[in-house]
Amino acid sequence: EIVMTQSPATLSVSPGERATLSCRASQSVSSNLAWYQQKPGQAPRLLIYGASTRATGIPARFSGSGSGTEFTLTISSLQSEDFAVYHCQQYNNWPPVTFGQGTRLEIK
Amino acid sequence: EVQLVESGGGLVQPGGSLRLSCAASGFAFSSYNVNWVRQAPGRGLEWVSYISSTSNTIYYADSVKGRFTISRDNAKNSLYLHMNSLRDEDTAVYYCAKGLRPLADWGQGTLVTVSS
Repeated sequence: EIVMTQSPATLSVSPGERATLSCRASQSVSSNLAWYQQKPGQAPRLLIYGASTRATGIPARFSGSGSGTEFTLTISSLQSEDFAVYHCQQYNNWPPVTFGQGTRLEIK
Repeated sequence: EVQLVESGGGLVQPGGSLRLSCAASGFAFSSYNVNWVRQAPGRGLEWVSYISSTSNTIYYADSVKGRFTISRDNAKNSLYLHMNSLRDEDTAVYYCAKGLRPLADWGQGTLVTVSS
């Protein structure tokens, strides 16, 4: 099973600033990585798949990069609605697909 | 618009059983693979089970293998999860999710609480 590790656990950023979230895989997952956003009391929402492709309707301020074992989600200019928990998921080697433990993005 | 609506959650004693349902609409349900994913309180996401569009391929997480059974009824646009021998650690919000690579759409979830 591939273990996904996200860092940091919590990230404090001011509105309008850039946020950079990291996700590391215990072995290569090629570009088969997705990012999800989850707000309190809501289901996860797909943001990025294929490591760098934005899902339908996702604003351009969200971008993903990386391949192999190191991945990054960047939010270029934080809006109030972006403060949430972000999960990464690998779907290269499955079953099982596996998720990171999440990064909480909070207002500084 | 894709809609996935889970139901059937509730409070159950350890060792008990429960059946979750997921009603799908807004897409050709019979053409898509679907999954159950759960999230324990304050924890991350855990994939539980996968079923292919024709039910030919089924997978389970090791943590539920032998206790949970996934099934679907394409005529009713519905997904099910039969859960037996429930444990405290099965307490979670259970989501149904369309696709796998990636999980493109999610329902709002149903809460299962296992407690005496």
